[in-house]
Amino acid sequence: QSVLIQTPSASGTPGQRVTISCSGSSSNIGSNTVSWYQQLPGTAPKPLIQSNNLRPSGVPDRFTGSQSGTSASLAIGGLQSEDEADYYCATWDDSLNGWVFGGGTKLTVL
Amino acid sequence: EVQLVESGGGLIRPGGSLRLSCAASGFSVSSNFMTWVRQAPGKGLEWVSSIYSAGRAFYADSVKGRFTISRDNSKKTVYLQMNSLRAEDTAVYYCARGFYDSSGNPYFNYWGQGTLVTVSS
Repeated sequence: QSVLIQTPSASGTPGQRVTISCSGSSSNIGSNTVSWYQQLPGTAPKPLIQSNNLRPSGVPDRFTGSQSGTSASLAIGGLQSEDEADYYCATWDDSLNGWVFGGGTKLTVL
Repeated sequence: EVQLVESGGGLIRPGGSLRLSCAASGFSVSSNFMTWVRQAPGKGLEWVSSIYSAGRAFYADSVKGRFTISRDNSKKTVYLQMNSLRAEDTAVYYCARGFYDSSGNPYFNYWGQGTLVTVSS
């Protein structure tokens, strides 16, 4: 069981907006910023969102992140077939003295 | 150009040892924090260990006392010494560069392609 809880799967049709959630606690999301990573099949993870809501250079503005209290969300607008991937949230946990990842959400584009 | 290349994975028997290497180019491994993240077959990402610029290291409870992270600044290489390996350590091991963005918040901005470690008799 991961420290950060993500819905295992999500889906949408091309052009739709999909939201993926990440639930934590006061010792992780409640105290530290969240980053999000996209992992395409058979490849290494790639950073998508840093500092809760900032996009690294090159990431389309269709991807937006937010954080409130002990939860964070990743929204993908204008869904495209190439967005089909696994998505992970991550942050530092002050109680565990280590990084924690969500269990991952598999996004399917129908 | 920033690049991370892992090596050292392979098939090892339970109880054995293995040392993974992560060769970095385009930056100094001592100026940021370097991290190992693993992914068991068909599973999610799991943080393993990080070493920070001042040399302090942190470990996941699942590997504490068995794994040791270190770095050689002159070789621009980070290592993960893995002892007393178990079947549950079987995974692809990724090396990632930890970076503090303009807001001073950390994230992993570069990842290697990973190296597979299989622990089996």
